[in-house]
Amino acid sequence: GGIITQTPKFLIGQEGQKLTLKCQQNFNHDTMYWYRQDSGKGLRLIYYSITENDLQKGDLSEGYDASREKKSSFSLTVTSAQKNEMAVFLCASSPAANTGQLYFGEGSKLTVL
Amino acid sequence: GDSVTQTEGPVTLSEGTSLTVNCSYETKQYPTLFWYVQYPGEGPQLLFKVPKANEKGSNRGFEATYNKEATSFHLQKASVQESDSAVYYCALGEGTYQRFGTGTKLQVVP
Repeated sequence: GGIITQTPKFLIGQEGQKLTLKCQQNFNHDTMYWYRQDSGKGLRLIYYSITENDLQKGDLSEGYDASREKKSSFSLTVTSAQKNEMAVFLCASSPAANTGQLYFGEGSKLTVL
Repeated sequence: GDSVTQTEGPVTLSEGTSLTVNCSYETKQYPTLFWYVQYPGEGPQLLFKVPKANEKGSNRGFEATYNKEATSFHLQKASVQESDSAVYYCALGEGTYQRFGTGTKLQVVP
């Protein structure tokens, strides 16, 4: 088995601040994803990466940057945090970019003051 | 574009009663359909998936049939337990990523 580790688990930021979330997986999976989870809106795809050094935009990419520096890690940056924003960011991986199962981390909760 | 619509929650049931969570989807392609479950403090985990139309998936007493004609994938369980309290997500997978519904929170009371 493997695990997905997201850091930090809780992140508090100020309006306008640039904030970075990190994700590590030891499944040796090719594909990694960042989803945003909001109450009543489900999971929405922000960015994904089919393989190392690849980046693909999802439906919600505006206001975010991502980086896949190596196969095991995938970072997400909120380029300018919005006041009163609160959401959970979920990282996931899958063996390949097809219709396989996603394996999720526990999430990083963002609060912007 | 593609979309997934599911029962709005929260849904509260008594232990031992039956559950149906509706899931409908829109797509022009031939997706794999998924149900995920998320317990408090955890990430979603796969309940089961069905890659082909007219087939049924099942796990832990939950089941759903991929109905291509009706574009539906409703989740059912005959008798829920308190431990089934969680958020359930229907998802549509095609190509390189999965598109999720809004989630249905289920609370089962003794």
